[in-house]
Amino acid sequence: EPEVTQTPSHQVTQMGQEVILRCVPISNHLYFYWYRQILGQKVEFLVSFYNNEISEKSEIFDDQFSVERPDGSNFTLKIRSTKLEDSAMYFCASTPTETYEQYFGPGTRLTVT
Amino acid sequence: KQEVTQIPAALSVPEGENLVLNCSFTDSAIYNLQWFRQDPGKGLTSLLLIQSSQREQTSGRLNASLDKSSGRSTLYIAASQPGDSATYLCAVSSNTGKLIFGQGTTLQVKP
Repeated sequence: EPEVTQTPSHQVTQMGQEVILRCVPISNHLYFYWYRQILGQKVEFLVSFYNNEISEKSEIFDDQFSVERPDGSNFTLKIRSTKLEDSAMYFCASTPTETYEQYFGPGTRLTVT
Repeated sequence: KQEVTQIPAALSVPEGENLVLNCSFTDSAIYNLQWFRQDPGKGLTSLLLIQSSQREQTSGRLNASLDKSSGRSTLYIAASQPGDSATYLCAVSSNTGKLIFGQGTTLQVKP
């Protein structure tokens, strides 16, 4: 069964460094999402992406964040200058339509020290 | 602003019991509602999706209902097993596909 994959599974970085989190959505899906979950808190929406552009973003998704679909398979989240409060689990999700079931990847645990 | 609340926050039951998890949302203008399972430190596994026009969905021992007008959904788990122990998340979707999550119900099923 097709699944969403994410790399790396765990990333440790120093405050102020740039990180890129990678996702490979399910191949025939058209809508892509990033969410994050700070330890002990709710899963929060960050951004949605369709047709090579951002379709919606939350207030969390400020100028430090960017997303890209550099080729036909990868979907990346870049954090330009990480802060301690960016430490969280980051989930990528994809779906064939915006009203269909979303399929989540296993997540990348980001630790900022 | 859409808010999703799940009650109870935690639940511990003996194996074999039937149980109900509750989810409520403040804005009834949703496109669908999705129930997920999350094991500790892991990703989210989709369990059931209910479209806004539907009243319920079933998958094996799981049954989810949706009452859009009252802003409520329930997840019914029949004949619970220790392997059902996990956190169950409810999420509602707007027409843009964005999911708004509840804080989850952590279920422990004791053998």
